[in-house]
Amino acid sequence: EVQLVESGGGLIQPGVSLRLSCAASGLTVRDDYWAWVRQPPGKGLEWVSVLYISGLTFYADSVKGRFTISRDDSKNTLYLQMNSLTTDDTAVYYCAKHRYGVGMEYWGQGTLVSVSS
Amino acid sequence: DIQMTQSPSTLCASVGDRVTITCRASQNINSWLAWYQQKPGKAPKLLIYKASTLASGVPSTFTGSESGTEFTLTISSLQPDDVATYYCQQYNSYPWTFGQGAKVEVK
Repeated sequence: EVQLVESGGGLIQPGVSLRLSCAASGLTVRDDYWAWVRQPPGKGLEWVSVLYISGLTFYADSVKGRFTISRDDSKNTLYLQMNSLTTDDTAVYYCAKHRYGVGMEYWGQGTLVSVSS
Repeated sequence: DIQMTQSPSTLCASVGDRVTITCRASQNINSWLAWYQQKPGKAPKLLIYKASTLASGVPSTFTGSESGTEFTLTISSLQPDDVATYYCQQYNSYPWTFGQGAKVEVK
């Protein structure tokens, strides 16, 4: 059974950094494409970033230069390093396994990041 | 960026009704469109990919179709368990973009 478990969210002040983790079981992170998607409270879904098997990455303009997606194959875990956070980054962050040509077929339960002074 | 415009934003129908949600892309996305269902407090769930292919385990009451840059999600017979918000998403080019969502309620 595939399970994705996010952690690392919390209440933080603007300007602070945070790293989200997404621990995978039932599959191997190095063999798949991975994405982060976020959802501000009461709003719609926003794609954040994607990581290819090759290590190639893409980012939404709103986070480019501030966020970094990565993975640790030895821990079978995906990460999202978030720097210079602002109140606009407040959202539930989901990690998702993307299958090429199919879409995001497995999702974690989400972790809430709340940026407030 | 490719804009995805969904309609309606909210719809209310009776159990057993046929329900249709539309998603229009601002340019050609080569059928690279997915539909997701999100129930309150839960993560999204993949329903349909490549515009019309049903994801594994999804009931056949859900169908997807396309005509040019217009895509449609149809629920053939609405059930109480289908109460959710439905999102379309294009994955033809970066940045991937979602529609604003369509909330489906049961009368």
